[in-house]
Amino acid sequence: QQQVKQSPQSLIVQKGGISIINCAYENTAFDYFPWYQQFPGKGPALLIAIRPDVSEKKEGRFTISFNKSAKQFSLHIMDSQPGDSATYFCAASRRTASKLTFGTGTRLQVTL
Amino acid sequence: GAVVSQHPSWVICKSGTSVKIECRSLDFQATTMFWYRQFPKQSLMLMATSNEGSKATYEQGVEKDKFLINHASLTLSTLTVTSAHPEDSSFYICSASYMVREKAFFGQGTRLTVV
Repeated sequence: QQQVKQSPQSLIVQKGGISIINCAYENTAFDYFPWYQQFPGKGPALLIAIRPDVSEKKEGRFTISFNKSAKQFSLHIMDSQPGDSATYFCAASRRTASKLTFGTGTRLQVTL
Repeated sequence: GAVVSQHPSWVICKSGTSVKIECRSLDFQATTMFWYRQFPKQSLMLMATSNEGSKATYEQGVEKDKFLINHASLTLSTLTVTSAHPEDSSFYICSASYMVREKAFFGQGTRLTVV
């Protein structure tokens, strides 16, 4: 019930391409879905987040798509750059608490 | 965004000794702080949740006598790894939020190596 499943485990995208990472959750009590970017040896940094009342949120090159009925959400990175190479984690939390359940992570490599 | 500072960034200690890691919210009062543990190339696993002035709530399987958490003020939480062993070597990360359901901000993490 508390799991958040993330795929793919790793992803290689050419510069300028679109990176897509998918997550699925089981617990319908989750109502906050953030994405984090983590560089080696650093803490995660919040990229973008969405709540279930909207189906899409865009901030710059980053877009979250949310499908409430399917209990799935995804991160799209447009015009991917080598500097985007990092590990990305999706997460989810419940309405009555703010502790996060993290996905397993996706290692993104953007090649020249 | 809000800043959460974690100290030290890395620490090496001998087996059997204790290590304290500090987590400070620099520009906001953190009602709740969280401590995570991350093994290489793995996800973040929540260890415990701490609220200022009360006892921490530990996740299942986390030894509360080994990982002592103190949240003495609205800007400081500490994690003490007691009687550290090599298997405690890991990346420890704290996060803080100033309101329930609001975004959490993460510290830069502490790399603990026990030799």
